[in-house]
Amino acid sequence: AQTVTQSQPEMSVQEAETVTLSCTYDTSESDYYLFWYKQPPSRQMILVIRQEAYKQQNATENRFSVNFQKAAKSFSLKISDSQLGDAAMYFCAYRSADSGNTPLVFGKGTRLSVIA
Amino acid sequence: EAQVTQNPRYLITVTGKKLTVTCSQNMNHEYMSWYRQDPGLGLRQIYYSMNVEVTDKGDVPEGYKVSRKEKRNFPLILESPSPNQTSLYFCASSPYTLNTEAFFGQGTRLTVV
Repeated sequence: AQTVTQSQPEMSVQEAETVTLSCTYDTSESDYYLFWYKQPPSRQMILVIRQEAYKQQNATENRFSVNFQKAAKSFSLKISDSQLGDAAMYFCAYRSADSGNTPLVFGKGTRLSVIA
Repeated sequence: EAQVTQNPRYLITVTGKKLTVTCSQNMNHEYMSWYRQDPGLGLRQIYYSMNVEVTDKGDVPEGYKVSRKEKRNFPLILESPSPNQTSLYFCASSPYTLNTEAFFGQGTRLTVV
């Protein structure tokens, strides 16, 4: 079974600075998808960024980018120019490309605080 | 607006009193699932459905039931709730195309006393 590990339960960053959240995963599959979700205090799960494993290029979405290292099974999220609204719980998630049940497998989350 | 709607958002109930949390999506998605979120554990899948009348267990199905009689609806049923089912519950849907993200409902905070 696949597992996702987020080794940083809590992180903090100064406003306007850059922070990197770590995520590693364990799988024997070669084709899969990786996601970062943001959960603000409203509890809504919001997709931040998505990466397809077959793509070597790292995904970017405005201030958010990933460092995808397939051989190392690492998928870190970098937030640039941090804003107060970035404060949230962040979940890394894995989804198999298998045609059967393809649940999202989540890490335990990293709570990010942004300091003004 | 494309969305997944869960109701209720908050629920406090007593042990043993049957309850249903509804979930409805308007995106014609085939795949729907339920997750529970607990502190320090992330989100774990309870049940999933790959289409109408097709449901199966996820990682933590004990104490829960589901049904999928219509494509848009996927209710979660707790026949006899217990305090260890106090949690935050999410319904999610996605098209069968695997490279898309799951769309989540707003969450249901359930407390069983």
